Amino acid sequence: DSGVTQTPKHLITATGQRVTLRCSPRSGDLSVYWYQQSLDQGLQFLIQYYNGEERAKGNILERFSAQQFPDLHSELNLSSLELGDSALYFCASRAGGGVLETQYFGPGTRLLVL
Amino acid sequence: GDSVTQMEGPVTLSEEAFLTINCTYTATGYPSLFWYVQYPGEGLQLLLKATKADDKGSNKGFEATYRKETTSFHLEKGSVQVSDSAVYFCALMDSSYKLIFGSGTRLLVRP
Repeated sequence: DSGVTQTPKHLITATGQRVTLRCSPRSGDLSVYWYQQSLDQGLQFLIQYYNGEERAKGNILERFSAQQFPDLHSELNLSSLELGDSALYFCASRAGGGVLETQYFGPGTRLLVL
Repeated sequence: GDSVTQMEGPVTLSEEAFLTINCTYTATGYPSLFWYVQYPGEGLQLLLKATKADDKGSNKGFEATYRKETTSFHLEKGSVQVSDSAVYFCALMDSSYKLIFGSGTRLLVRP
């Protein structure tokens, strides 16, 4: 158990809908990273938050957004869903500093868009 | 930009065979390097890491050495078990602390 929690574990929805994925980092970790794992794109970084502020953006679509709340949990919002958004979405929280930097991953949310 | 290249899978081995999964990277500077493992139906678990040249990461019988001269971080295990069947991802941490992953290598170990 990494200490990172994600809900829900599975999500099935229809095209055009909007969903929210939730992540709680390990106790004491201020950074949250979101990644998408799909068959065609592999594992890709989406976005990072640190203590409530957006720090870095990767290949995140404009239809997707995220935020980190004062209690440090984070939510990834996916809207106007398309079939191609079906994927496994992971969040990770970062532990350590400098050479101790390590990311610990949650179990993921599997999204299926029908 | 930074990138990671892994050998294509699947890799199929018999139990107790020797395992090597090749990983090379392209990066500016000297990033930390990682191996993560994903068991069927599960999330990513950190397997091992190395933070500087010639460092050897090890865990559960797996080892990988950070080779700056060949920009490689190959994963090895002397004797694989059926329970090692999983997908293995090599990754580097770039200067903004995000992970860049290779495409993953599926390992299947037969009894």
